[in-house]
Amino acid sequence: GAVVSQHPSRVICKSGTSVKIECRSLDFQATTMFWYRQFPKQSLMLMATSNEGSKATYEQGVEKDKFLINHASLTLSTLTVTSAHPEDSSFYICSASKGPQPQYFGPGTRLTVL
Amino acid sequence: GQSLEQPSEVTAVEGAIVQINCTYQTSGFYGLSWYQQHDGGAPTFLSYNGLDGLEETGRFSSFLSRSDSYGYLLLQELQMKDSASYFCALPGNTGKLIFGQGTTLQVKP
Repeated sequence: GAVVSQHPSRVICKSGTSVKIECRSLDFQATTMFWYRQFPKQSLMLMATSNEGSKATYEQGVEKDKFLINHASLTLSTLTVTSAHPEDSSFYICSASKGPQPQYFGPGTRLTVL
Repeated sequence: GQSLEQPSEVTAVEGAIVQINCTYQTSGFYGLSWYQQHDGGAPTFLSYNGLDGLEETGRFSSFLSRSDSYGYLLLQELQMKDSASYFCALPGNTGKLIFGQGTTLQVKP
């Protein structure tokens, strides 16, 4: 398999602050990574495709100015939730792969906005 | 667009066999994948079908019929640790995944 890490695993922040989540592929290079969001008892919803060296591609309905994605290297993508509000509280998960299939998921980041 | 349908809950007893069905709609087809997710954890890859037929991996098997836009995941010799959510998903050509709503499997002693 392949290992994908995420940091932090949990974060609690005040409303209006920004939170950065890191996703790293530890033992392989990934030109493409994906960011998902999962609310309790619901499915994973694709937010955006993170492309190394270029702009992210956002899914319909996802605010690109609120969820900033940077893919600075072949092993690191970051998701910044800007001016977070309680409705942004969710489980954020990234995935990466050596090829199209299968995708390997990070352990996820649980964000709680007070 | 793309959509997938699967049952919301399934209950079975230890040692039994359970089948989780998935029907899908998509304009471009790049296979059907299955993932397992335990509470609070990350999804883990179980199986992928690119062509019609059965793929077997240990106690888990997955089947695909492209003409019927249908697939299923078969879990044999159920164990308590198999209690989890199971998602069918449509991969895109870039690797992105569109997930079904998930099936919660409860295995009882």
